[in-house]
Amino acid sequence: GESVGLHLPTLSVQEGDNSIINCAYSNSASDYFIWYKQESGKGPQFIIDIRSNMDKRQGQRVTVLLNKTVKHLSLQIAATQPGDSAVYFCAENDMRFGAGTRLTVKP
Amino acid sequence: DSGVTQTPKHLITATGQRVTLRCSPRSGDLSVYWYQQSLDQGLQFLIQYYNGEERAKGNILERFSAQQFPDLHSELNLSSLELGDSALYFCASSVRTAYNSPLHFGNGTRLTVT
Repeated sequence: GESVGLHLPTLSVQEGDNSIINCAYSNSASDYFIWYKQESGKGPQFIIDIRSNMDKRQGQRVTVLLNKTVKHLSLQIAATQPGDSAVYFCAENDMRFGAGTRLTVKP
Repeated sequence: DSGVTQTPKHLITATGQRVTLRCSPRSGDLSVYWYQQSLDQGLQFLIQYYNGEERAKGNILERFSAQQFPDLHSELNLSSLELGDSALYFCASSVRTAYNSPLHFGNGTRLTVT
């Protein structure tokens, strides 16, 4: 499944599918981007980051893609699990967060 | 566990009152940030301190103030409280600044103004 972040704040996927969460940023001078996961009742938790000199960075089951030309960031989660259900935020290096996307994983 | 400690976890108070929220950053982190999160909303950046000095200011109301002490813990003071101030208040810390390192968040203080 795919989300457009601010325009589609909810993404529902089937367990085992891949998820793609998108984020548009406005400041072309931003050079550091972070994805956070916020579970219910908890503070946001760092997932993965990427600097502007990279286009792609991979972690465990997660990949972040950065397209500086169109100022777009995406988070891909492979083989989505119920434990991935949360709100996902992108953030730029000026500490401001996007609106967030709620990911719901259906068993 | 992020290593960031916030107290209290819950706070219920009346309009017009004043409260103080406390944050202990991760060991070694010099920067502290405060955020406000209203129900099902995003995170609004309020203010940042670095090694005791104010570094950046966001959408912080004049009724709110903060400080970072020599031992690096921070307090957020909210006064003349209004119903609309009811929210989750998060503290985060980082080694340097947010320009090149991720933030580590506490689990927040839930403020209810009645």
